[in-house]
Amino acid sequence: AQKVTQAQTEISVVEKEDVTLDCVYETRDTTYYLFWYKQPPSGELVFLIRRNSFDEQNEISGRYSWNFQKSTSSFNFTITASQVVDSAVYFCALGADFASGSRLTFGEGTQLTVNP
Amino acid sequence: EAEVAQSPRYKITEKSQAVAFWCDPISGHATLYWYRQILGQGPELLVQFQDESVVDDSQLPKDRFSAERLKGVDSTLKIQPAELGDSAMYLCASSLYPSGGLGTQYFGPGTRLLVL
Repeated sequence: AQKVTQAQTEISVVEKEDVTLDCVYETRDTTYYLFWYKQPPSGELVFLIRRNSFDEQNEISGRYSWNFQKSTSSFNFTITASQVVDSAVYFCALGADFASGSRLTFGEGTQLTVNP
Repeated sequence: EAEVAQSPRYKITEKSQAVAFWCDPISGHATLYWYRQILGQGPELLVQFQDESVVDDSQLPKDRFSAERLKGVDSTLKIQPAELGDSAMYLCASSLYPSGGLGTQYFGPGTRLLVL
């Protein structure tokens, strides 16, 4: 069975602070995929990043960075110099290929509030 | 930029009534997904299509829910009869790759359903 845990239900920071969102996953598959999505109040899930299990290289995209560590089954997301527009719910998701499909398992989400 | 389209955006209905949601995936995307997201939780897969065929509907409550993708393009999700517990956000997603290889799933804006 696959499982994603986002232990932080809510995080509140002041603008320009750095913030890290934690994600821990469980899977028995040797090949799997990890994702981060952002869900603003409008409701649409916005794709942020996809990482394959065989690629542990960390990635930086502007103010966003991701730290993938297979040894601890974690895929953490850091926002540097946070902005009010970063306020949203962030979901970590785990995907794998099954004979019956390619389902994504989502965590419960972390509500990030960036205050001015 | 191509997007997944969904309608309606909001739906209020009374219990025991029938409701239907429509989704138009990104052009060329062979795989289409319907998810249900209960408030405060992550999305959960209801059904996955590969072209016009159902690949995974193991989580679909088939006594009241049905889904179809007749021509392998747009899709309809129906609930009949609706129950109070069906109040949720219904999200549609599509991906380029078929189920044999996982592709990034892109989500539509969702339909917020309220059952009274």
